[in-house]
Amino acid sequence: GDSVTQMEGPVTLSEEAFLTINCTYTATGYPSLFWYVQYPGEGLQLLLKATKADDKGSNKGFEATYRKETTSFHLEKGSVQVSDSAVYFCALSGSSGNTPLVFGKGTRLSVIA
Amino acid sequence: DARVTQTPRDKVTEMGQEVTMRCQPILGHNTVFWYRQTMMQGLELLAYFRNRAPLDDSGMPKDRFSAEMPDATLATLKIQPSEPRDSAVYFCASGKGVRTEAFFGQGTRLTVV
Repeated sequence: GDSVTQMEGPVTLSEEAFLTINCTYTATGYPSLFWYVQYPGEGLQLLLKATKADDKGSNKGFEATYRKETTSFHLEKGSVQVSDSAVYFCALSGSSGNTPLVFGKGTRLSVIA
Repeated sequence: DARVTQTPRDKVTEMGQEVTMRCQPILGHNTVFWYRQTMMQGLELLAYFRNRAPLDDSGMPKDRFSAEMPDATLATLKIQPSEPRDSAVYFCASGKGVRTEAFFGQGTRLTVV
């Protein structure tokens, strides 16, 4: 079945460092791909998405490119801030009509000043 | 700004008591999801509805959990009787379809003592 694999956390970075959180997927068909972010005490929020191969999703300085050849959707940011500390979830849309989003296990990011 | 509303935000109850969590999906969304999040298990899909009809509730313990949508503006998740192992954050999410992005509420933090 469909699945998403994220790099294990936690990830700790200094402010202004470059961020990469790896995400690879297994799916039949052509899923849409998503990154969600969960700040402490909050629900998950959609950060960005891409619906077809080679699409780049971007938001708040974060980017991810849908790479079908490597089945990947890695999240990147050029310069992280303390306020980016959160848990990040990669997800894909189900491959059949009634299959909901499949989430990865999440990667906790801590940014220190 | 449209959002999913969940009540209560926090609930502490004694083992054996009935717990009801409520969710108001975003107006115009026809799909509602219930998730549970714990440190040990991460994010688990409990059940989901489309156009108020249950599509899948295989993620729920059948003997004690029930989910309903009395109308298009209200979804409920009920636990009876509650047990300490039910302690978790319960999220409701809504979307315009099963396979599209889901918008999450802020969650209900349940503690069963």
